[in-house]
Amino acid sequence: AQTVTQSQPEMSVQEAETVTLSCTYDTSESDYYLFWYKQPPSRQMILVIRQEAYKQQNATENRFSVNFQKAAKSFSLKISDSQLGDAAMYFCAYRSATGTASKLTFGTGTRLQVTL
Amino acid sequence: KAGVTQTPRYLIKTRGQQVTLSCSPISGHRSVSWYQQTPGQGLQFLFEYFSETQRNKGNFPGRFSGRQFSNSRSEMNVSTLELGDSALYLCASSWGGAGYEQYFGPGTRLTVT
Repeated sequence: AQTVTQSQPEMSVQEAETVTLSCTYDTSESDYYLFWYKQPPSRQMILVIRQEAYKQQNATENRFSVNFQKAAKSFSLKISDSQLGDAAMYFCAYRSATGTASKLTFGTGTRLQVTL
Repeated sequence: KAGVTQTPRYLIKTRGQQVTLSCSPISGHRSVSWYQQTPGQGLQFLFEYFSETQRNKGNFPGRFSGRQFSNSRSEMNVSTLELGDSALYLCASSWGGAGYEQYFGPGTRLTVT
């Protein structure tokens, strides 16, 4: 079974600064997807960024980028120029690319606080 | 394009009762997945329905069941409610298949007293 570990329960960053959230995972599969989801106080889960394991290039979405290290099974999220609206719970998630599987396996989350 | 909708948004039930939650996916999406979110267990996968068939199932007791209708709307039922069933229940829809994005609804907050 796959597992996802987020070792930072809480992080804090000043507005306009950069912060990196860590995620490691364990799997015996070679083909899979990794995601970062954001859950603000409204509780709506919002997809931030996605990475396909077969792609060596790190995914980027505006101020959000990942550092994907497949051999190390590490998938960190970097948020640049942090904004107050970035304050939320961030979940790292894994999904197999085998067959028709749609199940997401989530980490325990990192609560990000953005200060002035 | 309308997003995923879930009804009701909040629900209070008594132990031993049963409850039905509803999820309407994004138009055209054929897959609906359900997740339970609690402070203690985090986010856990309940099951997935695709074209009216349960395709994947998580490790939950048989009290948790679901179904999907021909218009892809899905319902989740929990019978004989227990205090530990208090949670945020999230559904997510997608076109189906591992390569497609999942879009989440706002969730139903269930409180069991």
